[in-house]
Amino acid sequence: KAGVTQTPRYLIKTRGQQVTLSCSPISGHRSVSWYQQTPGQGLQFLFEYFSETQRNKGNFPGRFSGRQFSNSRSEMNVSTLELGDSALYLCASSLARGALPDTQYFGPGTRLTVL
Amino acid sequence: AQKVTQAQTEISVVEKEDVTLDCVYETRDTTYYLFWYKQPPSGELVFLIRRNSFDEQNEISGRYSWNFQKSTSSFNFTITASQVVDSAVYFCALSHSSNTGKLIFGQGTTLQVKP
Repeated sequence: KAGVTQTPRYLIKTRGQQVTLSCSPISGHRSVSWYQQTPGQGLQFLFEYFSETQRNKGNFPGRFSGRQFSNSRSEMNVSTLELGDSALYLCASSLARGALPDTQYFGPGTRLTVL
Repeated sequence: AQKVTQAQTEISVVEKEDVTLDCVYETRDTTYYLFWYKQPPSGELVFLIRRNSFDEQNEISGRYSWNFQKSTSSFNFTITASQVVDSAVYFCALSHSSNTGKLIFGQGTTLQVKP
């Protein structure tokens, strides 16, 4: 079974621009979570989508948004980029079978550099 | 407060040595899950183990073993006879039944295994 895929793998943008990152979950997985990883803050939860609805949200400004499609693929968008948005963005998918946490499987990440 | 602490920032060992990575967590929930992930230089987080709060049985998988102790809120990870391929950053994470799609990560421990 194919793993989680993320595109693009690398991205360079300038301040003020916006960016869209894409994530395709493992087949059959219904939940997609997004994380930001930086050297200073570590791995931080952005949001989770399940059945095309945002189910959980981390403590990030409204410039960070996402969505999920009917095939469970997800996108996240960052508007008005700032230098501090430079990070590795990781997507993870899980089966989300019930009320208890399922294992999240991660993609390779998108390395975003903001100049 | 919900928090994961990995006090060891970096550990360096010589091949074939045993090494233990510490993880201490804080939570008020009675139902939670603990995870360990490995992040090699490629960046992708690789799932290693998932343990729920009601199962304190230790687990062994090849050279890897995990010691879960609720009394001390710890979930430590031991690599026996370490190998150069074990060099990576290791993350401990916590998830709750009340917030299933969110993983709370520790800061990670960088393990360097020298030949």
